[in-house]
Amino acid sequence: QSVLTQPPSASGTPGQRVTISCSGSSSNIGSNTVNWYQQLPGTAPKLLIYNNNQRPSGVPDRFSGSKSGTSASLAISGVQSEDEADYYCAAWDDNLNGRVFGGGTKLTVL
Amino acid sequence: QVQLQQWGAGLLKPSQTLSLTCAVYGGSFSGYSWSWIRQPPGKGLEWIGEINHSGSTNYNPSLKSRVTISVDTSKNQFSLKLTSVTAADTAVYYCARVPPSLLRGWFDPWGQGTLVTVSS
Repeated sequence: QSVLTQPPSASGTPGQRVTISCSGSSSNIGSNTVNWYQQLPGTAPKLLIYNNNQRPSGVPDRFSGSKSGTSASLAISGVQSEDEADYYCAAWDDNLNGRVFGGGTKLTVL
Repeated sequence: QVQLQQWGAGLLKPSQTLSLTCAVYGGSFSGYSWSWIRQPPGKGLEWIGEINHSGSTNYNPSLKSRVTISVDTSKNQFSLKLTSVTAADTAVYYCARVPPSLLRGWFDPWGQGTLVTVSS
């Protein structure tokens, strides 16, 4: 059981907008920033979004992040086939004094 | 472009100690925190712990009694030891860098991962 809650799956057709939610509590998302990671099949995770809504250099601008209260979202506008991957949210948890992940969301591009 | 290269034993017997090392190439070692994360086969990511630039550590409470993370600044390396392993510790283990930040930072980049299997 992960501390942060994500839907196990999401899907969309090429060009659609897809969103993935991440729900937490006041001790993690409510008081700390959220980061998102993309894990392509058979590879190590890669940083996708940091500090709620910042994109590292090289990440396409179709990826965006937002946070409100104790929830966060990752949006992919104009999803592409190469975006098929697992997506994880993460944050610091003040009660656990450590980092926590969501359970991951598997994105399928139909 | 900083790269993390990790290595260690891939097959252990129950009760043995898992030992992994991660080397940092192409970037500064000082000033950052260094973390370990694992992923059981077919499952999600679990944070194991990390060590900061001053040597202070934070561990996942569920693993704290068995985990030690250390650094060797002379070699730009950091290491993970997990004692008394069981089959439940079978996972791909990743090392990662955490940049200094007032906002707790993030994992970037990641090592390539090492599959550790615990089996008798």
